[in-house]
Amino acid sequence: QKEVEQNSGPLSVPEGAIASLNCTYSDRGSQSFFWYRQYSGKSPELIMSIYSNGDKEDGRFTAQLNKASQYVSLLIRDSQPSDSATYLCAVKGYSNTGKLIFGQGTTLQVKP
Amino acid sequence: DTGVSQNPRHKITKRGQNVTFRCDPISEHNRLYWYRQTLGQGPEFLTYFQNEAQLEKSRLLSDRFSAERPKGSFSTLEIQRTEQGDSAMYLCASSLPPRTGNTGELFFGEGSRLTVL
Repeated sequence: QKEVEQNSGPLSVPEGAIASLNCTYSDRGSQSFFWYRQYSGKSPELIMSIYSNGDKEDGRFTAQLNKASQYVSLLIRDSQPSDSATYLCAVKGYSNTGKLIFGQGTTLQVKP
Repeated sequence: DTGVSQNPRHKITKRGQNVTFRCDPISEHNRLYWYRQTLGQGPEFLTYFQNEAQLEKSRLLSDRFSAERPKGSFSTLEIQRTEQGDSAMYLCASSLPPRTGNTGELFFGEGSRLTVL
């Protein structure tokens, strides 16, 4: 079992729709969770971080965390073609290294 | 530019040659990470430094790979006797140490793309 799992997609949604991206993780001791966006040929950039169970909203983005189910998700409201990218889920474990473990990423395509 | 800087951005080499990549982190960040990313995959952790000390190295990392951060500032990643399977994007990231108010976010450089012929 991979430490962080994501559906590779592609996930295709029409412009203006809600895109829902999901991620599961295996380490129950994980403390911090991150969503990065990566455009083709570019490096990952942070969209959101979440540490507590529940929802965290930032503009059109909402991160959801359920530690009991070891599940984290990212919702993108009013999806735009510029949101088309690969979304990487990253998890920080219990150790103090700060090392993040990444999933393989989900490719999102927003069609005009 | 005060972000993470990596060079060279692209490197094409022949199998068996040695290559070295350099990373300059954000100046106040004492943690530095190297990741490798291949097409269609997420970044894979290679190694991590806190200041000049290399604190963790992936068990998957071949002994052909070595990383240094001699003065706790920039870091180098050397790959000896390159193989075609080493072709990938090598990403460097830096972060602040954990403390109250620190998100633990990793800031990535633009990467160094290696092609081994």
